[in-house]
Amino acid sequence: AQTVTQSQPEMSVQEAETVTLSCTYDTSENNYYLFWYKQPPSRQMILVIRQEAYKQQNATENRFSVNFQKAAKSFSLKISDSQLGDTAMYFCAFMKLSAAGGGADGLTFGKGTHLIIQP
Amino acid sequence: EPEVTQTPSHQVTQMGQEVILRCVPISNHLYFYWYRQILGQKVEFLVSFYNNEISEKSEIFDDQFSVERPDGSNFTLKIRSTKLEDSAMYFCASRAGQFLGYTFGSGTRLTVV
Repeated sequence: AQTVTQSQPEMSVQEAETVTLSCTYDTSENNYYLFWYKQPPSRQMILVIRQEAYKQQNATENRFSVNFQKAAKSFSLKISDSQLGDTAMYFCAFMKLSAAGGGADGLTFGKGTHLIIQP
Repeated sequence: EPEVTQTPSHQVTQMGQEVILRCVPISNHLYFYWYRQILGQKVEFLVSFYNNEISEKSEIFDDQFSVERPDGSNFTLKIRSTKLEDSAMYFCASRAGQFLGYTFGSGTRLTVV
């Protein structure tokens, strides 16, 4: 079974600063995806960024980027030029890819990091 | 942008009652999921559904739970006899394909009293 660990329950930074949220995972799988989801107070789950394990290049989406270290099983999220609207819970999630190709695997989530952007 | 729609947004039910949570996934998606999030805790996988049958389910998804895709558009989660500990936010999600990301609905907050 997979586990996902987010060791920072809460973080607070000033607007415009850069912040890094950490995530480590444990798996014996070789083929998998990793995700960061944002959950604002509305509680909707919004995909921020995803990374395919077979890709060495770190994923980037505008102000959001990841540092994926496969050997260390680490998948941190960096938010540059943070904005007030970035205030939310952030969840790291793991999804294995089934060999059968069914692709119906569920996500395993970490416990989340509550990120607060201060004005 | 296509959305996953969940209804109702909030449901209150008495312990022991049956409840059905409804979801309309994105129309060309093939994989469907239910997750739950107890207040203040992490999101937990319940069940995945593909090709009109359950593909995978977690230990949480016991005999009290069932899923259905009755008409090709709706995807429902039924809890037969609700318990207090079933109170949670329930999220529906869908995916177009194996290598594509999830789209989550906005959730149904279930309160069992």
